[in-house]
Amino acid sequence: NAGVTQTPKFRILKIGQSMTLQCTQDMNHNYMYWYRQDPGMGLKLIYYSVGAGITDKGEVPNGYNVSRSTTEDFPLRLELAAPSQTSVYFCASSYGGQINTEAFFGQGTRLTVV
Amino acid sequence: AQSVTQLGSHVSVSEGALVLLRCNYSSSVPPYLFWYVQYPNQGLQLLLKYTTGATLVKGINGFEAEFKKSETSFHLTKPSAHMSDAAEYFCAVSAAGAGSYQLTFGKGTKLSVIP
Repeated sequence: NAGVTQTPKFRILKIGQSMTLQCTQDMNHNYMYWYRQDPGMGLKLIYYSVGAGITDKGEVPNGYNVSRSTTEDFPLRLELAAPSQTSVYFCASSYGGQINTEAFFGQGTRLTVV
Repeated sequence: AQSVTQLGSHVSVSEGALVLLRCNYSSSVPPYLFWYVQYPNQGLQLLLKYTTGATLVKGINGFEAEFKKSETSFHLTKPSAHMSDAAEYFCAVSAAGAGSYQLTFGKGTKLSVIP
């Protein structure tokens, strides 16, 4: 079983370019999340979704957009990439909220903005 | 607001020695607490969690953690370290959000195991 799949694994962007980080899960989970991980800073929540058509901002949403048209997919869009968006991005999903159910993480996308 | 403090960004132990990773939290409501592990170039994986009930929680790979309300702590322990335990460990606390429950993560502790 695939679990949570993220593509691409690595990407280099130039300042001002845009891109979409793809995330798909095959566990029929309602909840999906996007985190960014910076060295020594832990994980910060960017956006989350509680079901298809429903998204909400997390702690650090500026510079990002998301959509959730299906249960399986939760793409993260970066518009006008900036060096501050250099990070490792993780997508995660859970059946319910993370208090009661385990979140499953993808392997991450390492993004460098130059 | 919820917050988590992990004491020590790097911890080194000898193989076979006790592993102790420290986590303190602050929360205005009874917390739900979690430990996640991240192996190199991997995503995070849940080790264990405390929600309600027994304060000593056992997880995978021989790890356990004890919730101590009086000390606002949730330290992670393992009696005998193995080389395969080398990884980064994150403590997290729940935070009620709009329609969902989100986790607030600590900054992580990287565990090295010396042969």
